[in-house]
Amino acid sequence: GAGVSQSPSNKVTEKGKDVELRCDPISGHTALYWYRQSLGQGLEFLIYFQGNSAPDKSGLPSDRFSAERTGGSVSTLTIQRTQQEDSAVYLCASSLQGTSGSGTDTQYFGPGTRLTVL
Amino acid sequence: QKEVEQDPGPLSVPEGAIVSLNCTYSNSAFQYFMWYRQYSRKGPELLMYTYSSGNKEDGRFTAQVDKSSKYISLFIRDSQPSDSATYLCAMSVYNQGGKLIFGQGTELSVKP
Repeated sequence: GAGVSQSPSNKVTEKGKDVELRCDPISGHTALYWYRQSLGQGLEFLIYFQGNSAPDKSGLPSDRFSAERTGGSVSTLTIQRTQQEDSAVYLCASSLQGTSGSGTDTQYFGPGTRLTVL
Repeated sequence: QKEVEQDPGPLSVPEGAIVSLNCTYSNSAFQYFMWYRQYSRKGPELLMYTYSSGNKEDGRFTAQVDKSSKYISLFIRDSQPSDSATYLCAMSVYNQGGKLIFGQGTELSVKP
């Protein structure tokens, strides 16, 4: 594909329900990142996948949040028992090499999924 | 206190003005410094990237890093209405994955 795609673009859910957000990275990119963007908090790192290495989950705010990356490509971010404070835009990014390259390499962001928890 | 501080604005300037956007940071381990631009309802896109103190120029954009003061800036010359967007500074530490730490973002509006 031409860029990172995310689905759905918008999601409205009721408090207490589970939601799944999907990210399709750029083909060939080995690194995939999830960030959350909310008013007043800016853009916060959530989780990072690099090839077959164990993911860096240091940014996940609680154990209600989890993410998987299947086959080194598509990723799903799952939020269980959603709360109103989970309302935000969830952004996915991918990069060619992650830490495998020298220094850092460019992260390309998708358009995000806007999650609203009522 | 956040690791990266950025004035959220909003900032409104007339077309043709020079714009100065700034971030301060507290973590001296940050080695890579980036500026992202984000249009409304879109994902951020990388504008400039640098890893050393000093200036880096790209067209109308200049990124400046002062590691001794833990301060970075982005200057936009001859600003255009198409520059109206939110500008986010981002930083990372070598060998901590590609994890980026972002500032809050500054909303810029360039009026024709």
